[in-house]
Amino acid sequence: DAGVTQSPTHLIKTRGQQVTLRCSPKSGHDTVSWYQQALGQGPQFIFQYYEEEERQRGNFPDRFSGHQFPNYSSELNVNALLLGDSALYLCASSLVNRDDGYTFGSGTRLTVV
Amino acid sequence: AQSVTQPDIHITVSEGASLELRCNYSYGATPYLFWYVQSPGQGLQLLLKYFSGDTLVQGIKGFEAEFKRSQSSFNLRKPSVHWSDAAEYFCAVVTAAGNKLTFGGGTRVLVKP
Repeated sequence: DAGVTQSPTHLIKTRGQQVTLRCSPKSGHDTVSWYQQALGQGPQFIFQYYEEEERQRGNFPDRFSGHQFPNYSSELNVNALLLGDSALYLCASSLVNRDDGYTFGSGTRLTVV
Repeated sequence: AQSVTQPDIHITVSEGASLELRCNYSYGATPYLFWYVQSPGQGLQLLLKYFSGDTLVQGIKGFEAEFKRSQSSFNLRKPSVHWSDAAEYFCAVVTAAGNKLTFGGGTRVLVKP
């Protein structure tokens, strides 16, 4: 039973560029959330998707956008990258009722130079 | 405002000794509670979760946690620490009606031989 899969594992981008991160949820899960974890800090909630709709959003600017596909996989897009966007981006999948808890992927390490 | 506090940033413990990590939360009602462990550069692994019922919860890797409503706490314990337990530990909460996990700042555990 595959867990949460994220790609790519590492990424280096230049300021002003755009990036797309991908996430495949755990088998059977229908909800995907994205988190940003800066070095030495706890993860911060970006947004959550269920039934291809954004259910809730954290305190992140509109440069951060997402999408969920019919197979429940998801993408996180960040436009106009800033140096401060450098972080580990984590995807978490769950059931909408949270009975199974939240399963996290290994993350994508984004470095903006 | 809802918040999660892990008062200890670093804890050093000798191998074979007991470990207790503290977590306090500030929420209007009893939330769902989680403990995650993160090795350097990796994603988050769920150790245990509490939704309701027995306030002493058993998890993986020999960890347990106790929910104390009167103290708004959910402390993590392990009777005998192994060198492989060296990692960062995060407490996280979500409200019964909410969607986003809110994390504490984390506690880094160092294990002395």
